[in-house]
Amino acid sequence: KQEVTQIPAALSVPEGENLVLNCSFTDSAIYNLQWFRQDPGKGLTSLLLIQSSQREQTSGRLNASLDKSSGRSTLYIAASQPGDSATYLCAVTRDSRGSNYKLTFGKGTLLTVNP
Amino acid sequence: DTGVSQNPRHKITKRGQNVTFRCDPISEHNRLYWYRQTLGQGPEFLTYFQNEAQLEKSRLLSDRFSAERPKGSFSTLEIQRTEQGDSAMYLCASSPLLFSGPYGYTFGSGTRLTVV
Repeated sequence: KQEVTQIPAALSVPEGENLVLNCSFTDSAIYNLQWFRQDPGKGLTSLLLIQSSQREQTSGRLNASLDKSSGRSTLYIAASQPGDSATYLCAVTRDSRGSNYKLTFGKGTLLTVNP
Repeated sequence: DTGVSQNPRHKITKRGQNVTFRCDPISEHNRLYWYRQTLGQGPEFLTYFQNEAQLEKSRLLSDRFSAERPKGSFSTLEIQRTEQGDSAMYLCASSPLLFSGPYGYTFGSGTRLTVV
């Protein structure tokens, strides 16, 4: 059974700092990995999706990397802003014909960026 | 298209009552999913539709839960005889069959269910 772990559970940084969020998964046979953002009491916003054949994906100040063989992904946020404060969730899908659609989530990292 | 829409946003119900939630996915998306999220946890998969066919149901979905997606458009999730343990955020998501570019699944804002 796939297990996804996110470390740290919570992180507090001053505005402007660059930071890294970590995600690890136990089964390296993944189809893709996705990072989401969730604001309190709200739904999930897709940040980046990395296909299993890719090593990284970038969007604006965000960069996500994937090392499938070691079961790890990182989300790098450059020049953090108070508006980045949210819970960041990592999720993977299984590389299995017919069931490569089901996301398995970690518990998330609660990020607070202090002005 | 304004994304995935879920209604209602909040629902408070008494134990034993039935509730129904609605999800309107992105119109071009063939795939639709329901997830459930409790406080401090990541979302957990409940069920999956490809067009109008329900192709997988999680063991988390007891017989009191039923989901439909008539005509492959909107979907409903019904919970019968609600229990306090059903209190959670119910999230709907949709996606195309194949992903291109850096973005994947699109989630709605969720329906927060509180059973009292």
